[in-house]
Amino acid sequence: QVQLVESGGGVVQPGRSLRLSCAASGFTFRSSGMHWVRQAPGKGLEWVAVISYDGSDKYYADSVKGRFTISRDNSKNTLDLQMDSLRPEDTAVYYCARPQTCGTSHCSHVDVWGQGTTVTVS
Amino acid sequence: QSVLTQPPSVSGAPGQRVTISCTGSSSNIGAHYDVHWYQHLPGTAPKVLIYGNSKRPSGVPDRFSGSKSGTSASLAITGLQAEDEADYYCQSYDSSLSGYVFGTGTKVTVL
Repeated sequence: QVQLVESGGGVVQPGRSLRLSCAASGFTFRSSGMHWVRQAPGKGLEWVAVISYDGSDKYYADSVKGRFTISRDNSKNTLDLQMDSLRPEDTAVYYCARPQTCGTSHCSHVDVWGQGTTVTVS
Repeated sequence: QSVLTQPPSVSGAPGQRVTISCTGSSSNIGAHYDVHWYQHLPGTAPKVLIYGNSKRPSGVPDRFSGSKSGTSASLAITGLQAEDEADYYCQSYDSSLSGYVFGTGTKVTVL
């Protein structure tokens, strides 16, 4: 079945780095754009970053631009999020998410979500 | 700070109808980008309820419906049930941000 499994979360000190990974299975990963979405404790959902199917296009939320890097390895069906210069406000559950389709300018709704991995910056 | 505004909470008795508004601007909902709605229960992954403004994925009860007009969108839940207690989020694309935006979220309580 279609599945996304995140890993790499943990507790990290402010200013340090952490790398999240998402393993995809059950669908043609190399044909899908992919998102990272997060939810801080007691807060709502926040979009973090998106990457095109081939990794050529990447966009970021202003809150993480210049600190986070999204990447993918289509040979391994994995999506990564490199998080540098972490701040306490980056504390959140991070979800890997697949949009149903992506056009030339943007993607449609998310139809597959991972279960999330927790990052605590303290 | 989210650019899509929702009421923090709505409530209703079982069987009643509730609506959740999602107010955006000319760079997202008003720019004709689709609005999608998600249901999120604590400790679980969000689930899409409505996509493309008013379409329901298979398996989502027809008690859930969506609409869009101008710079706003709405989610309606009719025949409210206890299992509908959850957080609900609208989502769209914003051309000025070149990114995706979620609403502030609405907690639905079944009285």
